[in-house]
Amino acid sequence: DTGVSQNPRHKITKRGQNVTFRCDPISEHNRLYWYRQTLGQGPEFLTYFQNEAQLEKSRLLSDRFSAERPKGSFSTLEIQRTEQGDSAMYLCASSLVSASGANEQFFGPGTRLTVL
Amino acid sequence: AQSVTQLDSHVSVSEGTPVLLRCNYSSSYSPSLFWYVQHPNKGLQLLLKYTSAATLVKGINGFEAEFKKSETSFHLTKPSAHMSDAAEYFCVVSLYNQGGKLIFGQGTELSVKP
Repeated sequence: DTGVSQNPRHKITKRGQNVTFRCDPISEHNRLYWYRQTLGQGPEFLTYFQNEAQLEKSRLLSDRFSAERPKGSFSTLEIQRTEQGDSAMYLCASSLVSASGANEQFFGPGTRLTVL
Repeated sequence: AQSVTQLDSHVSVSEGTPVLLRCNYSSSYSPSLFWYVQHPNKGLQLLLKYTSAATLVKGINGFEAEFKKSETSFHLTKPSAHMSDAAEYFCVVSLYNQGGKLIFGQGTELSVKP
């Protein structure tokens, strides 16, 4: 399968624990995005990378959140000292920047985080 | 500021009848607009996209959308609903001048009755 993959698919953790999610984008894509989706809402932008450079972070991304994309391939999203409000679906998407400017993003299946 | 408003949180139709999901956008720039579909426990899938070419855009599974600049609308339609169309639909604007990040509407849940 050459689509976007995310691991794990589900994560249950206790409040105060650290968690890390991984996203493997489509191999030739140079942009990678993270979004968060809570129940009954549309996804909200968190951050994005162009190759290995993190170019923007939403104010939704508190200091407890950190994302990396070493070597411009896979990306990790870490949440430290999790809180119950962090419970959500974390979505990863990738795209290839094109001359037309149309930013078609391909989404992974998401990682559902539950903080007890 | 760019934003998207989906006018209905829930739409219910009977199988074989037309589908209309409404979306209005606000954008300072010529927007790129998308419709994505999300089936339960599945990832978001692109239905169609508008990128300043033809104003009537055809997508997968018989869906289409018309970009109307004067009305700032991008409504999604399908002539005949199928049971498999039941899902959550998101109207999305892409911010090309901000790294292409996507701004999603709140979503419209489509139910299809037999």
